Amino acid sequence: EAGVAQSPRYKIIEKRQSVAFWCNPISGHATLYWYQQILGQGPKLLIQFQNNGVVDDSQLPKDRFSAERLKGVDSTLKIQPAKLEDSAVYLCASSLVFSGTGGYEQYFGPGTRLTVT
Amino acid sequence: KQEVTQIPAALSVPEGENLVLNCSFTDSAIYNLQWFRQDPGKGLTSLLLIQSSQREQTSGRLNASLDKSSGRSTLYIAASQPGDSATYLCAVQGGSEKLVFGKGMKLTVNP
Repeated sequence: EAGVAQSPRYKIIEKRQSVAFWCNPISGHATLYWYQQILGQGPKLLIQFQNNGVVDDSQLPKDRFSAERLKGVDSTLKIQPAKLEDSAVYLCASSLVFSGTGGYEQYFGPGTRLTVT
Repeated sequence: KQEVTQIPAALSVPEGENLVLNCSFTDSAIYNLQWFRQDPGKGLTSLLLIQSSQREQTSGRLNASLDKSSGRSTLYIAASQPGDSATYLCAVQGGSEKLVFGKGMKLTVNP
């Protein structure tokens, strides 16, 4: 079974530039998550999709970050314009639909390491 | 607001030791708890998932326990090896479905 795919793996940009990350979840997983992991911290959820719809984007800085999941499969996360504090690893994860009784295991991709200079 | 704490932040041990990694969380209303491993520059690998109705899970040399009422989980690693060196993170999933992570514990196992 193929895992969660992400690209690019690394990206270096200057502040105020824009950048986009792509994620392809595990086939059949309806739920997709984007997390931000700053060095030395645990990942923090930015946005959660179930199929095409947004379930939780309460911690997404909406003035500069946007995300979409067209056709309920692939997803793109965009930052425009980037700030120095956006330097982090951006992780995509997917899982089966939440059951409401115990939840499902989340599977993570390799991440995209973003450096903003 | 759920908070997850892992102490200590780092641990260095000689090969062969049995290890206990601790995780605590503030809100006991969780659906499950997951332990992850993260190697440098890599994503997260799920090690064990414990549902809220369970008390422990085992996989090979790893054993994770959950005491939901006291807000604690431990990950036990038997007979540690240099290949176990990595950062270990615990995360809890509550009603909002998102995972709330601790900051992780960096483990170094010396040959």
